[in-house]
Amino acid sequence: NAGVMQNPRHLVRRRGQEARLRCSPMKGHSHVYWYRQLPEEGLKFMVYLQKENIIDESGMPKERFSAEFPKEGPSILRIQQVVRGDSAAYFCASSPDPPGQGGHEQYFGPGTRLTVT
Amino acid sequence: AQSVTQLDSHVSVSEGTPVLLRCNYSSSYSPSLFWYVQHPNKGLQLLLKYTSAATLVKGINGFEAEFKKSETSFHLTKPSAHMSDAAEYFCVVLMNTGFQKLVFGTGTRLLVSP
Repeated sequence: NAGVMQNPRHLVRRRGQEARLRCSPMKGHSHVYWYRQLPEEGLKFMVYLQKENIIDESGMPKERFSAEFPKEGPSILRIQQVVRGDSAAYFCASSPDPPGQGGHEQYFGPGTRLTVT
Repeated sequence: AQSVTQLDSHVSVSEGTPVLLRCNYSSSYSPSLFWYVQHPNKGLQLLLKYTSAATLVKGINGFEAEFKKSETSFHLTKPSAHMSDAAEYFCVVLMNTGFQKLVFGTGTRLLVSP
């Protein structure tokens, strides 16, 4: 089992450009979570998705950010018109079960480090 | 609402000495608690988890944590530090309102010197 895959590992964008971050969950996992880690801080929940559905997006900024998890292919976190404050590490996690079942163990990917210049 | 507080942003130990990383939680009921480790430029790895079974939880790499309800604590310990233990450690609580999500502490950076 290859584990949670994220790409790219590093992404540099100029202000105003779009950033697309990809996450392939572990095989057999249909629950995906995105987190953001600002420098010197812990991870903050952004969004929870199941295949083709956004279940909880309470941690997503209201503008410029969107996420999807299509029936086929990886989950995508999209940031439009990036600003310097978007510079952070973005982590994806997946689980085989919905939250609240099986101890809610999430498996994390290596993260994408976004730098906005 | 559930939350965790990691009392130390940095902890320094010498190789071979004990490790203590402190975590206090806030919850109106018995929480699910986790410790994750993050090595530089790597993803997070689950060390151990407490889900209302045994209060002393053993994890990977010789780490363990004890759930103490009276002290609302879930401190992480290891008898003897190894150089490879140098990393960032996060105490995490599972929220139990709405769609359950993980709430992370701010992290403790463990430094291990020879």
